[in-house]
This record gives sequence, structure tokens and C-alpha cells, in this order.
Amino acid sequence: EDQVTQSPEALRLQEGESSSLNCSYTVSGLRGLFWYRQDPGKGPEFLFTLYSAGEEKEKERLKATLTKKESFLHITAPKPEDSATYLCAVLPFSSGSARQLTFGSGTQLTVLP
Amino acid sequence: GAGVSQSPRYKVAKRGQDVALRCDPISGHVSLFWYQQALGQGPEFLTYFQNEAQLDKSGLPSDRFFAERPEGSVSTLKIQRTQQEDSAVYLCASSLFSDGSYNEQFFGPGTRLTVL
Repeated sequence: EDQVTQSPEALRLQEGESSSLNCSYTVSGLRGLFWYRQDPGKGPEFLFTLYSAGEEKEKERLKATLTKKESFLHITAPKPEDSATYLCAVLPFSSGSARQLTFGSGTQLTVLP
Repeated sequence: GAGVSQSPRYKVAKRGQDVALRCDPISGHVSLFWYQQALGQGPEFLTYFQNEAQLDKSGLPSDRFFAERPEGSVSTLKIQRTQQEDSAVYLCASSLFSDGSYNEQFFGPGTRLTVL
């Protein structure tokens, strides 16, 4: 069974204090790993897709990396507007019709001014 | 361009009532998904459509849940005889392709269902 575990559950940072969020996963074969941002009362907003170990992607203050067992979302010099819940999800290879994402429970990030 | 839209945004139902939740995916997107999100948790898969065909409904929690996408665009999730445990946010997502390429799913704002 596919599993995704995110840590920490919650993280409080001071503005400018860089840190990383972790996503550990277990899948039979990884088609893709996705990072989403979710603000309260809104749907998840797509950030990145990573397909193979060693791949990295960046967007503003965020950088996502991928290994064979986990992914990290690095946040450099965060600002209060980066406060949100960050969700990690995996899409496994499947011989059937399955195309659904399996999500972790998320990391709730709070950046204090 | 318009993203995924869902209506209503909020729904309060009395236990035992039937509800219908609507999803308008991004125009031209082949795949459509429904997820259920409990408070403090990540979304959990309910069902998947490729055009009008429902290819996977393994995540539907009971036979009270029914989804359709008759013309391959708008989808409706129906819950019959609602129970308190059905209270959650119901998210709809769409993606452009179904063949494994460009798998990004784009989510709507969700419908928050509260069953009293």
C-alpha cells in the first residue's frame, strides 16, 4: 500500500529563518511526486512535480528535491505570506486505471514577522 | 483562464438528507477526480473519471456515494441519506491528460459539507 508521511506536523519560523519540510514515501513504483500549498478555506495549489531521484525544482523561495525514499521542500528566507499547509502527494505507476494521488497529512507552516 | 470551480462552497444538511455537489473542471481536461478532506488531514481519493467514463470508484466509502460526469465535463457527486461522518471538505481536481504524462492535478476550492 502506498504511504506518505510528512514531518514535522507543524513548524513555526521567524521571517528569514530558512528550514526544510520532509516527505517520506513508500510506493511500488513512483510515477511522480507532487508538492501543493493549501491556504485555509481553499483547495490545494500546485507547486512542483518531481519525477526521478536527483531532480530539483525551484520557485521563488521554495526548492523541492527528490531521493528514492523522500522529498524535501526547502524554504529560504521565508516571509509571512509563505504561511500555509504544504502537502506532499505521490502518484504510483499502475497497470490499471488508477491515476489518483496519495497525500500526506501536511506540514502547517507559520512564518512570524 | 478559469480554474476548477465548485458549488456550493458551503452546504449544511440534516442527517438523512440527500446532497449534490457540483464540479466544473478546467475546459478540455480529460481527467476529473473527487477527493474528501477531513480537518487536519490530506485529501483522500474518492473516484476518477476519464472523460465520461468512471474508471475508478474504489475510494467511495459506501453505496450512498454516487458520482457522474455524463458529458465528460461537469461532474456531480451525490451523497444520499447523509450521516454525520460525511462532514468534510469535498475537493474536485482535473488534469489535462490521462496517459501518464503531465500528471499535475489542479484543484477547486472545495465544498465544505456539514451534516447536523
